[in-house]
Amino acid sequence: DIQLTQSPSSLSASVGDRVTITCRASQTIYSYLNWYQQNLGKAPKLLIYSASSLQSGVPSRFSGSRSGTDFTLTISSLQPEDFATYYCQQSYSTPYTFGQGTKLDIK
Amino acid sequence: QVQLQESGPGLVKPSETLSLTCIVSGDSVSSYFWSWIRQPPGKGLEWIGYSHYSGSASDHPSLHSRVSISVDTSKNQISLKLSSVTAADTAVYYCATHKAVAGPILYWGQGSLVTVSS
Repeated sequence: DIQLTQSPSSLSASVGDRVTITCRASQTIYSYLNWYQQNLGKAPKLLIYSASSLQSGVPSRFSGSRSGTDFTLTISSLQPEDFATYYCQQSYSTPYTFGQGTKLDIK
Repeated sequence: QVQLQESGPGLVKPSETLSLTCIVSGDSVSSYFWSWIRQPPGKGLEWIGYSHYSGSASDHPSLHSRVSISVDTSKNQISLKLSSVTAADTAVYYCATHKAVAGPILYWGQGSLVTVSS
């Protein structure tokens, strides 16, 4: 199975901050990496697909990038609704796997 | 927009079979690949498997012998069966869909909590 290691596991930040979450794959997955946001008690929501493509309807403050097997989700200026848990997911090969999640909370 | 609604028993006894249905509205089930994903309370996400009406399918090796995912085009719904359940199978189960085998998950159901307990 392809392992995805997210860091950090948790993060405290303030409204307006720029935050970065990293996801490292255990082997090459090319750009088959997706990012999801999950609010408490809700289903995940797709933010970024194919490493850097913004899903329709998602604010432009969210962006993604890839460098080899390292992937990054950046939120340029945190808004109150962004405090949630974020997961990366690889869809390159089955079994599809998720990172362990990054919980972003208010400082 | 596609809408997904999971339904099924919220409580299943150990060693029995967990059965969930996902009713799809807004589009035909034949237009998508269908995955089930679960999330134990307070933990992360685990992909269970996917199926397509054409017969294309895959599931998690750790669950392979216990899981069955089917696509019913006549009822426009998806089903999940997981046999011989234990407490470790307690989770919120999500029905989810993607346009391509390797595509991102576009739509999720609201989730159905299934507890395994006697």
